[in-house]
Amino acid sequence: NAGVTQTPKFQVLKTGQSMTLQCAQDMNHEYMSWYRQDPGMGLRLIHYSVGAGITDQGEVPNGYNVSRSTTEDFPLRLLSAAPSQTSVYFCASSTSDRGGTIYFGEGSWLTVV
Amino acid sequence: GENVEQHPSTLSVQEGDSAVIKCTYSDSASNYFPWYKQELGKGPQLIIDIRSNVGEKKDQRIAVTLNKTAKHFSLHITETQPEDSAVYFCAASSWRNYGGSQGNLIFGKGTKLSVKP
Repeated sequence: NAGVTQTPKFQVLKTGQSMTLQCAQDMNHEYMSWYRQDPGMGLRLIHYSVGAGITDQGEVPNGYNVSRSTTEDFPLRLLSAAPSQTSVYFCASSTSDRGGTIYFGEGSWLTVV
Repeated sequence: GENVEQHPSTLSVQEGDSAVIKCTYSDSASNYFPWYKQELGKGPQLIIDIRSNVGEKKDQRIAVTLNKTAKHFSLHITETQPEDSAVYFCAASSWRNYGGSQGNLIFGKGTKLSVKP
């Protein structure tokens, strides 16, 4: 059971570089989202998708872009990396049922220097 | 929008004692309240959840209670063990958030639980 798979696990970027964090789930979940976790801040929602072709912004969307071309995949793009984007990123998925259980990936540690 | 407050931020107990973590939420439309355990270097793992039509739920040494009137919910861990040491997050899901989508979680800021042998 793969669940939610994130790649890469660790990444170091230089300021201004772009990159994509990959997320894939094999549970046929309609709903996927990206969170970032910073010390003392808990997890904050970046972007989410309620199905293929549908995305929307969360609490902290600036500097990030997403797309959802398939049910399985939900990549997160950093357009021009900034040190403020140094964080741990988590992808999550769930069914569309109201109050459905939400599953998280193992995280991607990103450092921007 | 929803706001979730979690207390305490750190909690230290002796092995075998009980631990209680409390959360309050602001949006009365929230209907799903999960608790996650996060070990160092790993993603949050769901340990127990409760829905708004239930007042209490137990799973072995873990229990969660929900008071909808007061808008607070709590995690209770009995007979704590060193392997319970981790950061615990409460969360609430409100379908009103973000344009009516479902499944978005608003997290508390976490409680670092240390169980001393």
